[in-house]
Amino acid sequence: AQSVTQLDSQVPVFEEAPVELRCNYSSSVSVYLFWYVQYPNQGLQLLLKYLSGSTLVKGINGFEAEFNKSQTSFHLRKPSVHISDTAEYFCAVGTGGTSYGKLTFGQGTILTVHP
Amino acid sequence: SAVISQKPSRDICQRGTSLTIQCQVDSQVTMMFWYRQQPGQSLTLIATANQGSEATYESGFVIDKFPISRPNLTFSTLTVSNMSPEDSSIYLCSAGHPGTGRDEQYFGPGTRLTVT
Repeated sequence: AQSVTQLDSQVPVFEEAPVELRCNYSSSVSVYLFWYVQYPNQGLQLLLKYLSGSTLVKGINGFEAEFNKSQTSFHLRKPSVHISDTAEYFCAVGTGGTSYGKLTFGQGTILTVHP
Repeated sequence: SAVISQKPSRDICQRGTSLTIQCQVDSQVTMMFWYRQQPGQSLTLIATANQGSEATYESGFVIDKFPISRPNLTFSTLTVSNMSPEDSSIYLCSAGHPGTGRDEQYFGPGTRLTVT
């Protein structure tokens, strides 16, 4: 079984400042990693994913994340945030084989961008 | 990409009744899943909706409480049976082609259920 820990439940930041949302996972098998964003009263939107290859993954809206296998981390970063980035962010892990598509989600991090 | 719609978007139901949620995908997908997001919490996988056969349920979820159908590659339903206030949650459908090289997995907008 796998688990995901998002280390910060809430992250307040000022507009144009950099931000990092932290995610650690545990799994006994190889994993795929995802970040999703959920805007108020909306569904989940995929920000980025790591399946294999380069450990630095770039996604939509200027976000990027780095897969660090030794530290079992997949932290999300953005160099300069906007008010519109205010949302809840979920880190998720999936595995292969018969568990393809079954995602385990972290508890979520609420990012609030202040003017 | 795939666009997923869900009906209803929200509902308020009385305890003891049942509600069926529909999930429609605009293209054929390999896999479909149902998740629950309880208030203030993260998403928990309920089951995998298998086309033409019984759904595969995760630990803690049973068919009698959450019967699921998937008659074809683009449509699935989840029924929440004999509801209690503890069933008040957002129910989300997801779909995609995980593990096929097209590993996108998309989520519907969710159905917000309140049980009184």
